[in-house]
Amino acid sequence: EDKVVQSPLSLVVHEGDTVTLNCSYEVTNFRSLLWYKQEKKAPTFLFMLTSSGIEKKSGRLSSILDKKELFSILNITATQTGDSAIYLCAVLYAGNMLTFGGGTRLMVKP
Amino acid sequence: DTGVSQNPRHKITKRGQNVTFRCDPISEHNRLYWYRQTLGQGPEFLTYFQNEAQLEKSRLLSDRFSAERPKGSFSTLEIQRTEQGDSAMYLCASSLWDSADTQYFGPGTRLTVL
Repeated sequence: EDKVVQSPLSLVVHEGDTVTLNCSYEVTNFRSLLWYKQEKKAPTFLFMLTSSGIEKKSGRLSSILDKKELFSILNITATQTGDSAIYLCAVLYAGNMLTFGGGTRLMVKP
Repeated sequence: DTGVSQNPRHKITKRGQNVTFRCDPISEHNRLYWYRQTLGQGPEFLTYFQNEAQLEKSRLLSDRFSAERPKGSFSTLEIQRTEQGDSAMYLCASSLWDSADTQYFGPGTRLTVL
């Protein structure tokens, strides 16, 4: 059965801390892995990863994929209260379906 | 705003009633997807369309769930004989036909079944 598992389930940090969120997957016919940020409504796209070892960066956020070990990490440096959200990992595989993990709820305290 | 829109944003209904939700995708997007998200979980894929063709519907949760996209533009998701366990956020997303990994999500319809 295809599955995506995220850890930790939740995380509380203080502003300025660095966090690492984890996503492991088991799917057939992997195509890409995506990270989303979800605040109170729709998930918003952060990164798409298709190749191992190539880091994607956007400001304080970065992500990398390991297709051999079947996992990805999302790093957030110098966290701010505005980073508080649920971070979702999803895998696209054959059939054009996204399978999501359960998410990591991040709370950044001032 | 030319993003994905969903209506209504909130729906409260009594158990046993039928409900219908609408999704209007980004205008040039051929593909339209429906997901369900329950509290504390990630979105769960339900079904998707390419133009008016429903290409995957085996993930619909039961035969009480159905979806249509009659003209290849907007789509509707209907739940018949609602149950309390149907309470969730129903999300719609759209993409170009060759970009299933770039799905744009709508704001969702939150369903509460009393």
